[in-house]
Amino acid sequence: AQSVTQPDIHITVSEGASLELRCNYSYGATPYLFWYVQSPGQGLQLLLKYFSGDTLVQGIKGFEAEFKRSQSSFNLRKPSVHWSDAAEYFCAVDSSYKLIFGSGTRLLVRP
Amino acid sequence: SAVISQKPSRDICQRGTSLTIQCQVDSQVTMMFWYRQQPGQSLTLIATANQGSEATYESGFVIDKFPISRPNLTFSTLTVSNMSPEDSSIYLCSVEEGNGGMNTEAFFGQGTRLTVV
Repeated sequence: AQSVTQPDIHITVSEGASLELRCNYSYGATPYLFWYVQSPGQGLQLLLKYFSGDTLVQGIKGFEAEFKRSQSSFNLRKPSVHWSDAAEYFCAVDSSYKLIFGSGTRLLVRP
Repeated sequence: SAVISQKPSRDICQRGTSLTIQCQVDSQVTMMFWYRQQPGQSLTLIATANQGSEATYESGFVIDKFPISRPNLTFSTLTVSNMSPEDSSIYLCSVEEGNGGMNTEAFFGQGTRLTVV
């Protein structure tokens, strides 16, 4: 069965530091992969997505993610974190037009 | 991009009662999805609602507990029936635009925060 694993429940980084959020997936075919962000009291906003082609995907707000088929991973990165990036981040895989979400990683940003 | 409006944004309900959540989209979409996000948890798909057919429920969710309507291509409702405190969650409506290709993207409503007391 398809699944998404986000091994880190919480991550704390200092403002200005780099960030990497991990995501591993289990999917039989070529996956469609997504990263969403959920700020407190807000709905989900799409940061970026991977369908095919270039394995390094650029998204909004300075985020990028790299698809590594050999590792079944789609890690999210940002070179310099801003305080406004504090939120919950969800990795997801598209399975027959349905999204399967990981458990989420809560990002805390130290001033 | 689709704009989704959900009502109510939050509610506090007595156990044993039912609440109907409305989801309005500003464009016609084939599939609408209802998700549940329990406190501190990820999103779990409840069901997929296609216009003109019965909703398709995921494992662990049944129509009697979560009846869904889909009267047209821009609107859907989810009812949480005979509520118990375990139903306290955020319920989110979602639509997907695109045809499975690179332009495919899911959009989410702001969610309905339900507390059952």
